[in-house]
Amino acid sequence: QSALTQPVSVSGSPGQSITISCTGSSRDVGSYNLVSWYQHHPGKAPKLMIYEGTKRPSGVSNRFSGSRSGNTASLTVSGLQAEDEADYYCCSYAGSHTYVFGTGTKVTVL
Amino acid sequence: EVELVESGGGLVQPGGSLRLSCAASGFIFSSYAMGWVRQAPGKGLEWVSAISGRDGSTYYANSVKGRFTISRDNSKNTLFLQMNSLMAEDTALYYCARDIGREVDTGAMGVWGKGTTVTVSS
Repeated sequence: QSALTQPVSVSGSPGQSITISCTGSSRDVGSYNLVSWYQHHPGKAPKLMIYEGTKRPSGVSNRFSGSRSGNTASLTVSGLQAEDEADYYCCSYAGSHTYVFGTGTKVTVL
Repeated sequence: EVELVESGGGLVQPGGSLRLSCAASGFIFSSYAMGWVRQAPGKGLEWVSAISGRDGSTYYANSVKGRFTISRDNSKNTLFLQMNSLMAEDTALYYCARDIGREVDTGAMGVWGKGTTVTVSS
């Protein structure tokens, strides 16, 4: 149950696009298309942004999109806005009814 | 409105015990898998434990296996986490979360509470 690897920080200017990677292994990301992404503003509850790799829950902006290639999943935020500044975490099903989170990425809007 | 409210956190000495509760409302509690996720100070999210909504099967992270016990009371729409043999490394904000499905096999949690703080210190 080793944490998935994410970049510590990613930044971009308003209107730009950013991509956050989430690297796991053949035991988790590589074996299951069951990666979710969460937006976490300090002091608030995490918010589900993407599930099953590419699906957006109702109410989540279509500026957020997910993808996967091999052992790496990615979250892309297009048209970056000030309100997107937050911590982002990926999470993957890891088999045997367990989940594993990523190390987290701080997104800064310049 | 769908809501999860955690309670039961506090200060406990190393080796001590604590029982967290999570009161659910606004949805059919028994239809969903439920879980606990924690965040240590300055650290990231860590999946701790989950329980099936189908048959009550329980699952744990290696870091808490044998010390923590998750349970649910569907008649009271409440999730629990019994934490024994607590260590300093268990100090964290503990979130209750609702899975998007009935089983612990979706990799996603769609509803979260605001958390309850557990501090393990002498």
